[in-house]
Amino acid sequence: GQQLNQSPQSMFIQEGEDVSMNCTSSSIFNTWLWYKQEPGEGPVLLIALYKAGELTSNGRLTAQFGITRKDSFLNISASIPSDVGIYFCAAPATGANSKLTFGKGITLSVRP
Amino acid sequence: DGGITQSPKYLFRKEGQNVTLSCEQNLNHDAMYWYRQDPGQGLRLIYYSQIVNDFQKGDIAEGYSVSREKKESFPLTVTSAQKNPTAFYLCASSIISGTGGYSNQPQHFGDGTRLSIL
Repeated sequence: GQQLNQSPQSMFIQEGEDVSMNCTSSSIFNTWLWYKQEPGEGPVLLIALYKAGELTSNGRLTAQFGITRKDSFLNISASIPSDVGIYFCAAPATGANSKLTFGKGITLSVRP
Repeated sequence: DGGITQSPKYLFRKEGQNVTLSCEQNLNHDAMYWYRQDPGQGLRLIYYSQIVNDFQKGDIAEGYSVSREKKESFPLTVTSAQKNPTAFYLCASSIISGTGGYSNQPQHFGDGTRLSIL
C-alpha cells in the first residue's frame, strides 16, 4: 500500500535554530499537505502543495513539493517554543475516494 | 465561525458498554472521517463517508460503527467488541472535488475526544 515515511520520530532543537523535515514515499502523489498537532488538539493544516516543484511559505514555514512527486520538505526557520508539536505530512490516496494517507509524524521539541 | 465540533472532550467507558462520540460540522463539507490516534502510531482511518446515508470502512473499522443521517453529523459508536478502545479520536471533514469522488482537498479536523476505560 501507499505509505508516507517520516523520520526521525522525534527532533530536539534549540530556540532560534532552523529545522528541516521531509516526507518520502515510493509512490507518486499529486498533492502534499503538512499539518501540525499540538497536545490535546486536532491537527491544523499548515501548507498545501499542488504542483511538482512548488515552494510555498507560511510565515516562518516553507514547504516544497519534490520534483519527483515522491517527497516533500518542510522547513521551520528561527524556531520558537510554540513550534513544539507533531508535524504530519499527508497526501491523497489514489483511487476514487477521498481518503488521505498520513505519515506517522515527527514530534518537535524546542529548548528555550 | 465555521468548524468541526467534537464532543465530549473526555469520555470514559465501562467494560461491555457502547459509547457514542459526536462530530458536527458547519463547513458544508460532503465528506467526513473518523480517525484513531495512538502514541507513535499516527492517524489510522476508522470510517469515512462521502455522502449522506453512505459510508465506507477504513483500515481499522472492527469494533466501531457509524451513521450519516445528516450532512452535518457523523457520530461514531465504539462498541463493546472493540477490546482496546483507549485512544484519542479525531473527526475530520473535507470538500470533494474531481471525478469519482477523488479529492485533493485538505481535511479539517476537530479537537478530538479522548476515550478511556474505567
